[in-house]
Amino acid sequence: DAGVIQSPRHEVTEMGQEVTLRCKPISGHDYLFWYRQTMMRGLELLIYFNNNVPIDDSGMPEDRFSAKMPNASFSTLKIQPSEPRDSAVYFCASNWGGGNTGELFFGEGSRLTVL
Amino acid sequence: AQSVTQPDIHITVSEGASLELRCNYSYGATPYLFWYVQSPGQGLQLLLKYFSGDTLVQGIKGFEAEFKRSQSSFNLRKPSVHWSDAAEYFCALSSTGTASKLTFGTGTRLQVTL
Repeated sequence: DAGVIQSPRHEVTEMGQEVTLRCKPISGHDYLFWYRQTMMRGLELLIYFNNNVPIDDSGMPEDRFSAKMPNASFSTLKIQPSEPRDSAVYFCASNWGGGNTGELFFGEGSRLTVL
Repeated sequence: AQSVTQPDIHITVSEGASLELRCNYSYGATPYLFWYVQSPGQGLQLLLKYFSGDTLVQGIKGFEAEFKRSQSSFNLRKPSVHWSDAAEYFCALSSTGTASKLTFGTGTRLQVTL
């Protein structure tokens, strides 16, 4: 079975540019999470969706960040405009809430570098 | 508030040696506890979890962890480390058992020498 698929794996951009990260969760999973990982702050939950609806976006750092989930098989995380401090690895993860096991299935991440 | 502390940032062990990674938590009730592993360039993968019952839980890849309420700890162990175990290990806590309430520790990087 395919796992969580993220694209791009690597993105290098210049400050001020728009960045869009994409995620395809595991089929049948009804929860989707976006995390950010940095050396300084570790793993941070940015936002999560349940049945395509954003439930908690309190971790989104500021208005430059936005996330959408137009359908059960696709989500985007957008940064506009990007800044050097946004450089990090962004992970998407999914989960089946009915299982109530707390297990997250992570994608391989998108490494973002903002120059 | 809930929190997870992993006191060791970096640990080096020899292949074949035993391993123990420390995890302490702060939470007012019985927590749900997890260990995840992150190999270089990869996402996190669940190793094991504790929800209730037997305080010694077995996971994948030969790992086990023991929940000690009196010490607020959930240490990860492996009797004999393999070079492929080199990775970063994250302890996590959930107040509800669901992924939506997971709090991760800062991680421990394991290096294995041959």
